[in-house]
Amino acid sequence: TQLLKQSPQFLSIQEGENLTVYCNSSSVFSSLQWYRQEPGEGPVLLVTVVTGGEVKKLKRLTFQFGDARKDSSLHITAAQPGDTGLYLCAGLLMDSSYKLIFGSGTRLLVRP
Amino acid sequence: GAVVSQHPSRVICKSGTSVKIECRSLDFQATTMFWYRQFPKQSLMLMATSNEGSKATYEQGVEKDKFLINHASLTLSTLTVTSAHPEDSSFYICSAPGGGKNIQYFGAGTRLSVL
Repeated sequence: TQLLKQSPQFLSIQEGENLTVYCNSSSVFSSLQWYRQEPGEGPVLLVTVVTGGEVKKLKRLTFQFGDARKDSSLHITAAQPGDTGLYLCAGLLMDSSYKLIFGSGTRLLVRP
Repeated sequence: GAVVSQHPSRVICKSGTSVKIECRSLDFQATTMFWYRQFPKQSLMLMATSNEGSKATYEQGVEKDKFLINHASLTLSTLTVTSAHPEDSSFYICSAPGGGKNIQYFGAGTRLSVL
C-alpha cells in the first residue's frame, strides 16, 4: 500500500511548457520533502516544507504544502531538458522515528 | 557537508551467495539509519530501520532472516542479503538523519545483480 500517491506517474512534455506534480495522502505528515533522482544515484533533496500552506520557490520550481499537511505539489515553469528525472515526494511521519515514506514517483521527460 | 558513503556501488553475485552492503556516515554520528530498496522505474520502499546497539526494525513484508542488518557503531550500518536470488536484484539505498529531523542524507546506492 502506497501511503503517498503521486500523479502523474509519467509526464513527457516539450521544452518551455509548465507542469505540476501532485503528492497526496490521507495521513498527516510532520514535513514533506521533494527529491530528484538520476538513474543509478541516490535521491537529492530539493526542498522541505514544514508549515501547512507553505509555499517555497527554487528558481523555476514552486513547492506547496497543503493546509492540512496531507498533500503537496511541485510546479515547474518553462521546463528544460535538464529537468528530466524522477521526482519523489517523501513525508516525515509524525512520530519520533525520523522515518521517511516515499511517494510513488513521477518520471519527467522534457523533450528539446 | 555531511556525507553518507555506501559501498560497494555495484555488485554482481551468483545465486545462493550472500552479499554485504556498507553504509557509513562520514562526519557525523548516526544512531539510526534506514535501508531502502528500489526496483527499476519505481520509488524507494523502506525496508528497515537500523538502530545502533539494538535490533533493526523491519517493515511489513520484509524478511528479517533474508536481510540481516547490523549497526555495531555510530557510523556504520551493514545490510547483508543472505542466499541471494535473482528476485533480490535491485538498487539498495541507505540514509541517515543528521542535523535535525528534516535533514536526511542519502548514500549513492548499491546496484545488486544476482545471476
